[in-house]
Amino acid sequence: SQQGEEDPQALSIQEGENATMNCSYKTSINNLQWYRQNSGRGLVHLILIRSNEREKHSGRLRVTLDTSKKSSSLLITASRAADTASYFCATDERTGANSKLTFGKGITLSVRP
Amino acid sequence: DAGVIQSPRHEVTEMGQEVTLRCKPISGHDYLFWYRQTMMRGLELLIYFNNNVPIDDSGMPEDRFSAKMPNASFSTLKIQPSEPRDSAVYFCASSYGTGFGNTIYFGEGSWLTVV
Repeated sequence: SQQGEEDPQALSIQEGENATMNCSYKTSINNLQWYRQNSGRGLVHLILIRSNEREKHSGRLRVTLDTSKKSSSLLITASRAADTASYFCATDERTGANSKLTFGKGITLSVRP
Repeated sequence: DAGVIQSPRHEVTEMGQEVTLRCKPISGHDYLFWYRQTMMRGLELLIYFNNNVPIDDSGMPEDRFSAKMPNASFSTLKIQPSEPRDSAVYFCASSYGTGFGNTIYFGEGSWLTVV
């Protein structure tokens, strides 16, 4: 079943603009992660935010987490053409004694030079 | 660090044939994951191992799929017999420590086409 749902499905912006991508989820989580996937490549981890954190920064990335609304956002500031990729949120949900990292279907970001 | 290494990168096979995908996790990692990616279903967790032991295989689609991890540096995902609907990108990934609580490192994927 789909846990993280990203929004929008596709985003096209001009180089230099900021890109904001959202993720909503359904159940309680331990952490939420964002990954990036370039065309034809594997996923690359960008940032992890734990359930007791509200905001985290890494370079041009800013992630927020609102557990009351079960949502997260990824902001990429001053976007570059090289940021063109698909972005996925993934939630670590605990199921019984185990946990499972479930991915959304992704957001396709196009940054025009 | 070489990263997670998967082989083959691309495979085209005929329906009914056996397919074996291989994975070498990052040295020292104790969790290994197999994911499948399709346009329709996105990324699905098929199975994961901790210290070579399968922990959760509830994502394995059916008995045609099997996965093994005979040692800490090698895992296989086998499909027998293969069907056209198995066409997808299969990713192997690994992590250290708390499994999903830490960064998961993905391989470049094995692109499978079953005709």
